[in-house]
Amino acid sequence: AQTVTQSQPEMSVQEAETVTLSCTYDTSESDYYLFWYKQPPSRQMILVIRQEAYKQQNATENRFSVNFQKAAKSFSLKISDSQLGDAAMYFCASLTNYGGSQGNLIFGKGTKLSVKP
Amino acid sequence: EAGVAQSPRYKIIEKRQSVAFWCNPISGHATLYWYQQILGQGPKLLIQFQNNGVVDDSQLPKDRFSAERLKGVDSTLKIQPAKLEDSAVYLCASSFWDHRNTIYFGEGSWLTVV
Repeated sequence: AQTVTQSQPEMSVQEAETVTLSCTYDTSESDYYLFWYKQPPSRQMILVIRQEAYKQQNATENRFSVNFQKAAKSFSLKISDSQLGDAAMYFCASLTNYGGSQGNLIFGKGTKLSVKP
Repeated sequence: EAGVAQSPRYKIIEKRQSVAFWCNPISGHATLYWYQQILGQGPKLLIQFQNNGVVDDSQLPKDRFSAERLKGVDSTLKIQPAKLEDSAVYLCASSFWDHRNTIYFGEGSWLTVV
């Protein structure tokens, strides 16, 4: 069974600074995908960044980047130049496709990020 | 492009009553998911459809929860009878199965059982 662990229930960062959110996962599959989702108080899950496990290059999306360590099963999210609008819950998730069906997302418990002005 | 639509957004019911949530996925998305998110936790899959067939319902409490996806488009999730522990946000999501594996979420339906 897949598991995703986020060990930081809460994190805080100063506006314009950089913060890193940690995530570890466990899977016996070789082909899987990893995601970071942002969830503001409205509760809608918004995709931040995606990483395919077969790609060695770390994914980047503007101010967001990941550090994907496949052997260590680690997938951290770095937010640069933090903005007030980045304050939210952040969820790490994994997905594995099986046979003829798309897989589903397995989520961690989340990290609440606060941004101080 | 319209996103995943859910209704109602908010619902308060008494325990032992019933409730139904509706979801309309993004047009063309074959895969539809219902997740339950209890306060302070990450979302947990209740049921996954591919077109109008069930792919995974292993975590659906079938004695009180039911879901259907008629004609492979919109879907309804029903809870009957509701318990206090069913208070949660019910998130619907959909996906067009391609190499990107991107799953898009609706705004959720908030349920409070009193």
